[in-house]
Amino acid sequence: DAKTTQPPSMDCAEGRAANLPCNHSTISGNEYVYWYRQIHSQGPQYIIHGLKNNETNEMASLIITEDRKSSTLILPHATLRDTAVYYCIVRNSGGSNYKLTFGKGTLLTVNP
Amino acid sequence: SAVISQKPSRDICQRGTSLTIQCQVDSQVTMMFWYRQQPGQSLTLIATANQGSEATYESGFVIDKFPISRPNLTFSTLTVSNMSPEDSSIYLCSVTPRDSNEKLFFGSGTQLSVL
Repeated sequence: DAKTTQPPSMDCAEGRAANLPCNHSTISGNEYVYWYRQIHSQGPQYIIHGLKNNETNEMASLIITEDRKSSTLILPHATLRDTAVYYCIVRNSGGSNYKLTFGKGTLLTVNP
Repeated sequence: SAVISQKPSRDICQRGTSLTIQCQVDSQVTMMFWYRQQPGQSLTLIATANQGSEATYESGFVIDKFPISRPNLTFSTLTVSNMSPEDSSIYLCSVTPRDSNEKLFFGSGTQLSVL
């Protein structure tokens, strides 16, 4: 699976949009981009995933560049409860290999 | 989605002893995995729990230290054997549900401290 690069930490004001970047310049054509987050003392939580097109669900939006070498996770109206470590993961969707390899992630701190 | 129950939620153990962690899911799942999260670190995959056969271990993890069972489609155990303080970590069970096989769901983890 391709490697990802994320900033170690970011801050965001409550109520504002949080934009978390991820670089995955070595991504291949059949690899998906996944985002998970881990709130302190809890197991990781699935947020969203995509292949080429932008995706949106009730939690967030995922914007993938046309060349697929980077992506941005957008939390449109961040709340204090969104403070967590956010992991960007690239995974090959082929075969039955569903395992995920976690990097260090970005610690997002939402401030009042 | 899947509801994952992991027991115990935390434990404090003496070095040299063993602890078995249980993972129960409320629905049949395709895949079950065990992860370790050492203090202040990211998650590291220990192994894939295979139903009815030996688990598949990642580099750096061996069956003698982390024996795993998966007798059916909804249950798995991880044993941390002959523990040392270096085994103090959070151990997490994760699953891929049959009806949502592109997503991985995690239990709340077992906080293990070894004295």
